[in-house]
Amino acid sequence: DSGVTQTPKHLITATGQRVTLRCSPRSGDLSVYWYQQSLDQGLQFLIQYYNGEERAKGNILERFSAQQFPDLHSELNLSSLELGDSALYFCASSVLSTIVNTEAFFGQGTRLTVV
Amino acid sequence: GESVGLHLPTLSVQEGDNSIINCAYSNSASDYFIWYKQESGKGPQFIIDIRSNMDKRQGQRVTVLLNKTVKHLSLQIAATQPGDSAVYFCAENIGGYSTLTFGKGTMLLVSP
Repeated sequence: DSGVTQTPKHLITATGQRVTLRCSPRSGDLSVYWYQQSLDQGLQFLIQYYNGEERAKGNILERFSAQQFPDLHSELNLSSLELGDSALYFCASSVLSTIVNTEAFFGQGTRLTVV
Repeated sequence: GESVGLHLPTLSVQEGDNSIINCAYSNSASDYFIWYKQESGKGPQFIIDIRSNMDKRQGQRVTVLLNKTVKHLSLQIAATQPGDSAVYFCAENIGGYSTLTFGKGTMLLVSP
């Protein structure tokens, strides 16, 4: 168990809908990272928050947004869902604001299926 | 468990063999690299990292080699065990920012 909790584990929704994925980082970790893993694109970095502030942005679509709350949990909001958004969404957390020389711990992911 | 890819390169080894997993990275400016292990149904797990000012780094049963000339990274696993069966990803980073670019992954299958 990595200590990172993601809910829900599975989500099935229809095209055009909006969903929220939740991540609770390890105790003491200030950084939260979101990743998307799909069969065709592999693992892709979406966005990072550090202590409530957006720190880095990757290949995140405009239909997607995230935030980190004062208690450091994070939510990833996906809207106007398309079939191609079906993927595993991982959250990771780490102590530092940088990915270098610090281990990030991944949750077990949320499997999103858009039908 | 969850499937992470249908067309991953696969390396099949016998228990006790040494395994070598290779990765060609894309950006010559990348200066930090990480190897991750992903077991079925789980998130990626950090194995070992290396900075570009090194060409070799050793951990417990694992060694990472970096060849910047040809932009190649390898992960060596000594005395491979069935529990090492997983998909292995390399990831590269530039300048210490948080963006990691992941390789496509290699599936390692270890037979008892």
